[in-house]
Amino acid sequence: ETGVTQTPRHLVMGMTNKKSLKCEQHLGHNAMYWYKQSAKKPLELMFVYNFKEQTENNSVPSRFSPECPNSSHLFLHLHTLQPEDSALYLCASSRSPGTSEENEQFFGPGTRLTVL
Amino acid sequence: SQKIEQNSEALNIQEGKTATLTCNYTNYSPAYLQWYRQDPGRGPVFLLLIRENEKEKRKERLKVTFDTTLKQSLFHITASQPADSATYLCALHRDDKIIFGKGTRLHILP
Repeated sequence: ETGVTQTPRHLVMGMTNKKSLKCEQHLGHNAMYWYKQSAKKPLELMFVYNFKEQTENNSVPSRFSPECPNSSHLFLHLHTLQPEDSALYLCASSRSPGTSEENEQFFGPGTRLTVL
Repeated sequence: SQKIEQNSEALNIQEGKTATLTCNYTNYSPAYLQWYRQDPGRGPVFLLLIRENEKEKRKERLKVTFDTTLKQSLFHITASQPADSATYLCALHRDDKIIFGKGTRLHILP
């Protein structure tokens, strides 16, 4: 496979469940990102990892827990979510974050999450 | 607080005409700005990047302008086609910060 892949594509979970979203990039990039996209709202950056180290956490609630075991894989662990957390969760990768002027983001197809 | 506004939620343009989308920002000084295209059920796809010291950038039928005085970027699609129908997002970057606009849904009418 090429590019950025995400699994599952759709997820329905109850508020007491624990689930994980997975992202994998086959582009040799060093930076990976989690975004949340809700209807009528801008894409919100949640977490940034650069060379497996978390460099950004935009005040995301602790019920979202990221994990980056290596520069090709990124997980988002979910527990005790709320209905307002229902959204499209997008993973992206880039060569590196920061001031690189050609820092194009490559996005995966997203996971459509519904919390009941 | 930092804010990005994209001119409208939806824009209808007749096929063959030029579509112009607007991205305005306040309380921010981006090092560069990017435009992305997003189709339903898919992640955004990068289209063009323009730096703070550049006025204009072109790629095939696409043109982007960047006015740091007006704090505005314009995104033009010339000779528009129905296949150009999608949501277009602007994104501002400085250091590790990335801010996206809500997007504009563009419909090219045949």
